[in-house]
Amino acid sequence: AQTVTQSQPEMSVQEAETVTLSCTYDTSESDYYLFWYKQPPSRQMILVIRQEAYKQQNATENRFSVNFQKAAKSFSLKISDSQLGDAAMYFCAYRSKDYGGSQGNLIFGKGTKLSVKP
Amino acid sequence: KAGVTQTPRYLIKTRGQQVTLSCSPISGHRSVSWYQQTPGQGLQFLFEYFSETQRNKGNFPGRFSGRQFSNSRSEMNVSTLELGDSALYLCASSLQPFLPGTSGLEQFFGPGTRLTVL
Repeated sequence: AQTVTQSQPEMSVQEAETVTLSCTYDTSESDYYLFWYKQPPSRQMILVIRQEAYKQQNATENRFSVNFQKAAKSFSLKISDSQLGDAAMYFCAYRSKDYGGSQGNLIFGKGTKLSVKP
Repeated sequence: KAGVTQTPRYLIKTRGQQVTLSCSPISGHRSVSWYQQTPGQGLQFLFEYFSETQRNKGNFPGRFSGRQFSNSRSEMNVSTLELGDSALYLCASSLQPFLPGTSGLEQFFGPGTRLTVL
């Protein structure tokens, strides 16, 4: 079965600085999707960024970018120029591309709570 | 376009009771998934519905059930509530269900229903 591990329960960053959140996963599949979701204190989970495993190029969305290391099964999220509104729980998630162990549903890590200091 | 709505937002029940939670997907979305979020277990997949049929089910006891109506609205029911059922229950909708080999369709999450079991 696939698993997702986020080893940093909490992180803190100064406003305007850069922070990297770590995520590792375990799978025997060769093709899959990886996601970073943000859950602000209001609780509405939103998608931050998505990566398809077969794509070599790291995904980027404005100030958010990932470092995808397929061989190492690592998928970290870098937030540049951190803003107060970035404060939230961040979840790394895995989704199979075929009817494998996850059967298409999202498998989440335990999350990293990011605080942004003014 | 309105987002995913969940009702009620907060609920307090006592052990042994049953509860029904409701989820209205984004207009046009036909797939609805449910997740349970607890501090200890994190986010765990409950089930997915499409065209009024359960397509996928997570590893939860039979006390957890759900259904989907012809307008794609979904309900989940928990019978004989236990203290451990206290959680945030999240609903997510997408245009279509997950199909092997297809590009990953984004799931849009609702704000959740906070269930407290006393």
